[in-house]
Amino acid sequence: DVVMTQTPPSLSVAIGQSVSISCKSSQSLVYSDGKTYLHWLLQSPGRSPKRLIYQVSNLGSGVPDRFSGTGSQKDFTLKISRVEAEDLGVYYCAQTTHFPPTFGAGTKLELK
Amino acid sequence: EVQLVESGGGLVQPGRSLKLSCLASGFTFSNYGMNWIRQAPGKGLEWVASISSSSSYIYYADTVKGRFTISRDNAKNTLYLQMTSLRSEDTALYYCAREDGYNYDFDYWGQGVMVTVSS
Repeated sequence: DVVMTQTPPSLSVAIGQSVSISCKSSQSLVYSDGKTYLHWLLQSPGRSPKRLIYQVSNLGSGVPDRFSGTGSQKDFTLKISRVEAEDLGVYYCAQTTHFPPTFGAGTKLELK
Repeated sequence: EVQLVESGGGLVQPGRSLKLSCLASGFTFSNYGMNWIRQAPGKGLEWVASISSSSSYIYYADTVKGRFTISRDNAKNTLYLQMTSLRSEDTALYYCAREDGYNYDFDYWGQGVMVTVSS
């Protein structure tokens, strides 16, 4: 299975600060169709996961443009500019390029 | 509005069976692949099983293969997960999640249903 390694495991931030989360995969996530099926999800406290970004850099419906995703091959980054209180929770990267789909262990974003 | 509502969870003894359901609404259920994804208490996410829109393609994680069966009834807009020979390590919050057929990610999730396997 493809191992997804997220760092850091947790982040303590102040409102208005910008942060980045790294996600590295054990194999290239470029599929045979040339697309990269690396996605980001946010699980707010007590809630189910919610789609944030799909295919590396595409924002999900209703996701503010303070969120951005970059990366290629095996190295990906989620950036949040100007963190707001509603952004707190656990961020997961996920890959669906290879079977089975796998998730990172999560990065917990907390208030400083 | 897309809604996925799981049900059927509970406390069950090791070795016993349980069947989860996920009722879908707000979209044409028969057009989408569906998945079960679980989260053990305090842990991360683990994909469990997937089923294509017409049930032609079904896949399982190695950890549940031979014990769990995913199925769907498109007439009832419902996804199922039949779980047998349950183990303590199956204790988790089980989510059903819709699969975006173009972007191959999980675009909508239910609220989850808790399954606890304990004697």
